[in-house]
Formats: sequence, C-alpha cells, structure tokens
Amino acid sequence: ELKVEQNPLFLSMQEGKNYTIYCNYSTTSDRLYWYRQDPGKSLESLFVLLSNGAVKQEGRLMASLDTKARLSTLHITAAVHDLSATYFCAVDNSGGGADGLTFGKGTHLIIQP
Amino acid sequence: KAGVTQTPRYLIKTRGQQVTLSCSPISGHRSVSWYQQTPGQGLQFLFEYFSETQRNKGNFPGRFSGRQFSNSRSEMNVSTLELGDSALYLCASSLVASETQYFGPGTRLLVL
Repeated sequence: ELKVEQNPLFLSMQEGKNYTIYCNYSTTSDRLYWYRQDPGKSLESLFVLLSNGAVKQEGRLMASLDTKARLSTLHITAAVHDLSATYFCAVDNSGGGADGLTFGKGTHLIIQP
Repeated sequence: KAGVTQTPRYLIKTRGQQVTLSCSPISGHRSVSWYQQTPGQGLQFLFEYFSETQRNKGNFPGRFSGRQFSNSRSEMNVSTLELGDSALYLCASSLVASETQYFGPGTRLLVL
C-alpha cells in the first residue's frame, strides 16, 4: 500500500524567511504532484514532477523530485503572507492514474508579517 | 476555459437518507475522479471514471457509488448516510487519468 508522509504538518514562519516542506512516499512512482488549498477552498495544482531530478519553479516556490530516495521537496523562498495555505503532495498510485492519487496529510503553513 | 463545476455546493442531510452529487469536468476532459476530504482521514480516493467506465475504486463501502455519462459528466451517490459521511467531496478531471487532475470547488455534505 502506497503511503505518503509530509513533514512538517504545521509550520509558522515569518515573512522573508526560507523553508522546505518534505514529502516521502513508500513505493516506486514517477509522478508526483503538489497542490495548494486555501481555507474553505478546493485544491489548486502547483506542480507535477515526472522524472528523477525534476525541478520546477513558480515565483517563490520550487519543487524537486528524487525518485531514488522517494522524496520530493517544496522550497519556499523569502516567504510572503499570501503563501499562507495548506500544501499537499500527492503520488499517483498506479502510474496510469486510474487508481487515483494518494495524498499526504498536508502542511498547514502560516506566514506572519 | 471553464473549470470543474460541482453541484450542489452545500448539502445537509439526516442519517439514513441518500444523496447524489454532480460534477461537470473541464471541456474535453474524459477522466473524472472523486475524493473525500475529512479532518481525520484527509484526502481519500473514492473512484475514477473514464469513458463511462469505473476503472477503480478506493477503500469505501458499497454505499458509495457513481457513474459517468457520455458527455463525461459524473455523479456520485451515497446511500444510507452515516454521520461519518460528513465531508468535503471533491471531483477532479483530467484529459486522461495519467495527466494532472484539476479539482472542482467541492460539495460540503453535513449529515445530522
């Protein structure tokens, strides 16, 4: 059974600081997603990482994937208040998508001015 | 291009009733997946449909069912509601199942 673990689950940080969220998964998969969820809202797709060594960046967020270590990271650079949200990583169960995604429990990020 | 839409957005039911939720995918998307989100269990996969066929189902009882129509719109049904079914039900669509899934706003179900 595929397990996805995120840490930390809660993170409070100040604006301007850098931090990294970690996502470990238990079985081989070459497709990993990062989503953002604002309170009371749905999930917004941030990144899809498809291969070992993949790195994607959008604004102050950068995601990377190490399939050998079964680890993905989401790095936040010079955080701003607008990035406060819950961030989920998700792994494709089957490689083909038909088995759905297995999500981590999410990292609740609060960025204080 | 319009996003994934779900109706209704909020629903209150009582135990023992049944409920039907609807999802319209992004135009051109043929794969529709459903997820349940609760504070305790997080996000859990319910089922995935492609071309009107359910291809897989998560670890949920038979009270949870769904279907997909020829226009890719999908419905899910929960019969004999239990208090624990209170959750946010999210629908996601993608071109095919292996591509990025785009989520709708969800239906928040409260079972009393």
